[in-house]
Formats: sequence, C-alpha cells, structure tokens
Amino acid sequence: EVQLVESGGGLVKPGGSLRLSCAASGFTFSSYSMNWVRQAPGKGLEWVSFISSSSSYIYYADSVKGRFTISRDNAKNSLFLQMHSLRAEDTAVYYCARTPAGNFGEFDYWGQGTLVTVSS
Amino acid sequence: QSVLTQPPSASGTPGQRVTISCSGSNSNIGSNYVHWYQQVPGTAPKFLIYRNYLRPSGVPDRFSGSKSGTSASLAISGLRSEDEAVYYCAAWDDSLSGHVVFGGGTKLTVL
Repeated sequence: EVQLVESGGGLVKPGGSLRLSCAASGFTFSSYSMNWVRQAPGKGLEWVSFISSSSSYIYYADSVKGRFTISRDNAKNSLFLQMHSLRAEDTAVYYCARTPAGNFGEFDYWGQGTLVTVSS
Repeated sequence: QSVLTQPPSASGTPGQRVTISCSGSNSNIGSNYVHWYQQVPGTAPKFLIYRNYLRPSGVPDRFSGSKSGTSASLAISGLRSEDEAVYYCAAWDDSLSGHVVFGGGTKLTVL
C-alpha cells in the first residue's frame, strides 16, 4: 500500500525557517517524481514544488522561489522541503504528492498533510 | 485569483447529473492534460480523473472527464450524498517557468 507521511510542521515566527519531511513507503520511491502542494486555511490548492526521480529537474512556484528548497533522499525514501524567510501567507497545510511517469499536474497519491503556521 | 477558472459552487439532487467546468488558456489546458481531484473537507485530495478523461482504479464510472480547446469538464452522473466535496482541476502551464496550476475549486452540494 502506498503511504506518504508528512512531518515537521508547526508554529514559526515570520522570517523563521522550517524543514518538512515526507516518508514514503509501499512503492519504489526512486522511480517517481514528487511534489509539495499546499492549502491555506479555507482556500484552494496551490502547487509549491516538483522534483524528478533523480533530482535532475526541480521547479518552484514563483511565490516560494528563492526561499524554499526541495530535495530528496532516495536511499531513505524521503522527500524534504526546506523553508526559509517564512511569511504569514505561507501558513497552510503542506501535502507531499506523488507524480507518476513525470506527468506534471498528475498527483496519484497524497499524504495527510502537515500544518505550518507562521505567526508572531 | 486562480489561473484556471471554476465556478465556486454547484449543486444537484441525488440521482441527477452535474457538470463542473474548468476554463484556461492555450498555455495550460489548450496544450496539456487536465487532471481532477476531489477533496472532502478535512481530508487530503483524492486523485479522480487524469489525462483529461482517464479514471484511476477504484473511481466509479459515474465520474467522467472531457476536454475541448481551452476548457475541460467533470461530469458526475447518478449523484450520491458522498459526492459532496470540493472539486479541483489542474494542468501544467507552459507559459511559466515550470508550473502546475489549479482551479479555485468548486464546492458541490448534494441537496
């Protein structure tokens, strides 16, 4: 069974940093591209970042470019999102989501999400 | 404001057929696949339709997708109470430096 479990969320002050993790199991992690997608309270879905299976291709939404860094450790079946210079508008539930066969926008499995709150 | 435009709400009675539209442009829907997600409040989104009209394993055939030009639609036939959720469309956008764009979501109410 495919499982994606996010962790690392919490309360952080504006300007602070946080590192999210996503532990994957039930599939060959190194064969799949992965993403972070977020959802602000009461709002819709917003794609944040994409990383290909071998980390060769990485993309970011304009809203996080230069502040967030996506990475992965295929040996440990883990996906990460390092977030710096956090702003109030980064407050959201952050989901990791799998993309099959590099088909951008196609997210076939999602984690349960981890809440990041940016507030003083 | 979302790049893909969806109506904020839709409704229907049990057994009815409802459609949800998703409007974009040549750089996204016009040249790339459209995917649909279902999100019941308080839960993670669920993969519903991919590559315009394909259904993942386990998704009932009551759900169908289509695309024409720069617009796409999700149709739900034989509406059931458990279909009450928010539905999102998504597509890759060629005009930006590598971006996935979502619609703003359509809240479906089963009356």
